[in-house]
Amino acid sequence: DIQMTQSPSSLSASVGDRVTITCRASQIISTFLNWYHQRPGRAPKLLISAASTLRDRVPSRFSGSGGGTDFTLTISSLQPEDFGTYYCQQSYDTFHTFGQGTKVEI
Amino acid sequence: QVQLQQWGAGLLKPSETVSLTCAVSGESLRGHYWSWLRQSPAKGLEWIGDINHDGRTNYNPSLKSRVTLSVDTSKNEFSLTLNSATAADTAVYFCARRKWFGVDDFFDPWGQGTLVTVSS
Repeated sequence: DIQMTQSPSSLSASVGDRVTITCRASQIISTFLNWYHQRPGRAPKLLISAASTLRDRVPSRFSGSGGGTDFTLTISSLQPEDFGTYYCQQSYDTFHTFGQGTKVEI
Repeated sequence: QVQLQQWGAGLLKPSETVSLTCAVSGESLRGHYWSWLRQSPAKGLEWIGDINHDGRTNYNPSLKSRVTLSVDTSKNEFSLTLNSATAADTAVYFCARRKWFGVDDFFDPWGQGTLVTVSS
């Protein structure tokens, strides 16, 4: 299995702050890395695919970067609706695996 | 706009079978893989497996012996059965479209989720 490790596991930030979440894969996965946002009681929502492709209707304050084993999700200016948990997911292997999540509190 | 609506029994006893169905609207099952995932406090988000319209499947190796995925193209639905359930199978189960094309391989959109509790 490819293990995905996110850091930090949680963070608290203020509206307008720049927030960075990192994800590390246990082996090289090229750019087969996706990011999701999940609010309590809801299904995860796709934000970024292929490490850096912003999906439709996702605000431009979100960006992704990285490749190989190390990846970053950045929120340039945190908004109240951005609270929740963020997950990375590798699709390099048919056996998809997720990070443990980063909980963002406003 | 593609939408997924899922349903199934939410409370089971140990050794019973988890059985869930997901109906797809706004798109044919053709052209994509359709996935099941689950989420629990113990294991986080876990991919269970996926199936295409032809019935071709991929399974999580740790669940493969207990999982069966099926499709009904006439109803545009796909289903999950997980037999010999234990408390460790207690989770919120999600269906999702797997978009798999070139460098893109992701789950979007997702169903609303179904809480399945296995308890005596």
